[in-house]
Amino acid sequence: AQSVSQHNHHVILSEAASLELGCNYSYGGTVNLFWYVQYPGQHLQLLLKYFSGDPLVKGIKGFEAEFIKSKFSFNLRKPSVQWSDTAEYFCAVSGYSSASKIIFGSGTRLSIRP
Amino acid sequence: NAGVTQTPKFRVLKTGQSMTLLCAQDMNHEYMYWYRQDPGMGLRLIHYSVGEGTTAKGEVPDGYNVSRLKKQNFLLGLESAAPSQTSVYFCASSYSTGPEQYFGPGTRLTVT
Repeated sequence: AQSVSQHNHHVILSEAASLELGCNYSYGGTVNLFWYVQYPGQHLQLLLKYFSGDPLVKGIKGFEAEFIKSKFSFNLRKPSVQWSDTAEYFCAVSGYSSASKIIFGSGTRLSIRP
Repeated sequence: NAGVTQTPKFRVLKTGQSMTLLCAQDMNHEYMYWYRQDPGMGLRLIHYSVGEGTTAKGEVPDGYNVSRLKKQNFLLGLESAAPSQTSVYFCASSYSTGPEQYFGPGTRLTVT
């Protein structure tokens, strides 16, 4: 079955701490991978995406993610978080063809202590 | 460009009432989607459309109907609302189902 697992439901960090949010997927075939962010009271925005090429993807606001095909993982990282990074983060996967739909993980809530 | 817009932003319904949520996009996207977001469950796809006049069921379609009479609009209908449909509803659109989707601001629906 196609699925996305985000094992951390709620992560609490202090400002300047390093961040890594886990994402594992189950999906047959070639995949596209995404991280979306939802700031409090706002809609989902794309943080970064992987379609092909370099497995280390850099996104907005200093975030990056690494696609490790052998581990079916696409973990999100940031070396030093800020209070403004407080949000909910969703990992998502889709197939490579135009007929594929995006499947979202259950989300990880990130709280940053000032 | 307004992107993806949704109306209304908030709504409270009594059980058994009906309503329609409107999604509009001005990016000339072919594909449009309706999701519901519930705590701890992420986003679940209700229905989607791959073009004007077409609709298809997603993961959780029961209790909802949709229509795509115009390319830019995608309507989500609840014929007889139930408390289990209390949720935040997001509309999204894309050029195809592979690349990124663009999301609207959401509609918070409470069914009492």
